[in-house]
Amino acid sequence: GQQLNQSPQSMFIQEGEDVSMNCTSSSIFNTWLWYKQDPGEGPVLLIALYKAGELTSNGRLTAQFGITRKDSFLNISASIPSDVGIYFCAGNYSGNTPLVFGKGTRLSVIA
Amino acid sequence: GAVVSQHPSWVICKSGTSVKIECRSLDFQATTMFWYRQFPKQSLMLMATSNEGSKATYEQGVEKDKFLINHASLTLSTLTVTSAHPEDSSFYICSASAGRVYEQYFGPGTRLTVT
Repeated sequence: GQQLNQSPQSMFIQEGEDVSMNCTSSSIFNTWLWYKQDPGEGPVLLIALYKAGELTSNGRLTAQFGITRKDSFLNISASIPSDVGIYFCAGNYSGNTPLVFGKGTRLSVIA
Repeated sequence: GAVVSQHPSWVICKSGTSVKIECRSLDFQATTMFWYRQFPKQSLMLMATSNEGSKATYEQGVEKDKFLINHASLTLSTLTVTSAHPEDSSFYICSASAGRVYEQYFGPGTRLTVT
């Protein structure tokens, strides 16, 4: 099925550093979502974006809905060890169409 | 709020047997439930979408006779893997929605190992 291009695939960063990851699509979406998945667990929603150009924050996390509606990025500031996990972007075209997931960004934080 | 549970959290079964996985929305009524499959270091792949009281809609390439889905109530959906084979070993995740597709809440997943 359709997938989003998510990058980078993995990241190793020092504690305290900022992190940026992004997703791009060949088709437009009307909703962008960012999830975090810990090992052996289901995804947990971090941020939902509903409008092109929207910039939304959730604590140290900030995400933006690209104005072309074909991309989104997630920034994490001042990373801490508990930020370790896999971050997935997901796009949705309408309330009746399935979510499309990116391949994930695996984040490792070195203390 | 918006808690989704799955049972069991992990299961080991022998090849040829069937396994049932339950997905429950604990504090809301889920008109739609989704079943995903995730292989190691891979993304989530949607298997099927089920609406309460109606037949599930399966994604292309997913065998509906092998992966039986029942959504008999607004809080419970089950996935039965019939005649399981080692290649069915995977992490199965359900999600539930009370409204729009983008408002999904995910369960903790069930790890299935077929020996």
